[in-house]
Amino acid sequence: GAGVSQSPRYKVAKRGQDVALRCDPISGHVSLFWYQQALGQGPEFLTYFQNEAQLDKSGLPSDRFFAERPEGSVSTLKIQRTQQEDSAVYLCASSLFPGQGYEQYFGPGTRLTVT
Amino acid sequence: GQNIDQPTEMTATEGAIVQINCTYQTSGFNGLFWYQQHAGEAPTFLSYNVLDGLEEKGRFSSFLSRSKGYSYLLLKELQMKDSASYLCAVKYDYKLSFGAGTTVTVRA
Repeated sequence: GAGVSQSPRYKVAKRGQDVALRCDPISGHVSLFWYQQALGQGPEFLTYFQNEAQLDKSGLPSDRFFAERPEGSVSTLKIQRTQQEDSAVYLCASSLFPGQGYEQYFGPGTRLTVT
Repeated sequence: GQNIDQPTEMTATEGAIVQINCTYQTSGFNGLFWYQQHAGEAPTFLSYNVLDGLEEKGRFSSFLSRSKGYSYLLLKELQMKDSASYLCAVKYDYKLSFGAGTTVTVRA
């Protein structure tokens, strides 16, 4: 079956531009996560959705970052007025349920470069 | 983060064994995952431990000691395709906290 997909795979933005990154999770997966991965580092948690509810946004680095999942499936991560420090790979992951033992399946990521 | 510590790099020869250690903060522990990540690709699931002991899955095994806050991933009969970054990830409640990853290079 289809895995987690993300688009675009690569995005170059000029500093100050807004960007929108899309995630299509595995069908039926309740939980959806966004992570930011800097070069040579592990993924860092940004935000978590259970169905359409955003239950945790403690990892969002600033109020320029906004995420939504209005119908409990596709999610969009929006970054307003991009800065150079926003350059990273943004990973989306989904899992069937949030409980113990349910692994997270990752998408291929969107590599954002802010020039 | 939750102080997930793992070595930065390891090098081994094809056919050999490599052990990647991971230590973590024990408070709130809810399971430990190992992921493999090739450059430019998504992390892919390798193993999951929630109880103490060894989980074996073909050439890969993972061990957990909850009281010590310690896990290792054992890669046996190394192949060139095993060259990748290996990420230790600890689940606290519903969230995963990742280590920085261990880059394993397999030499012929």
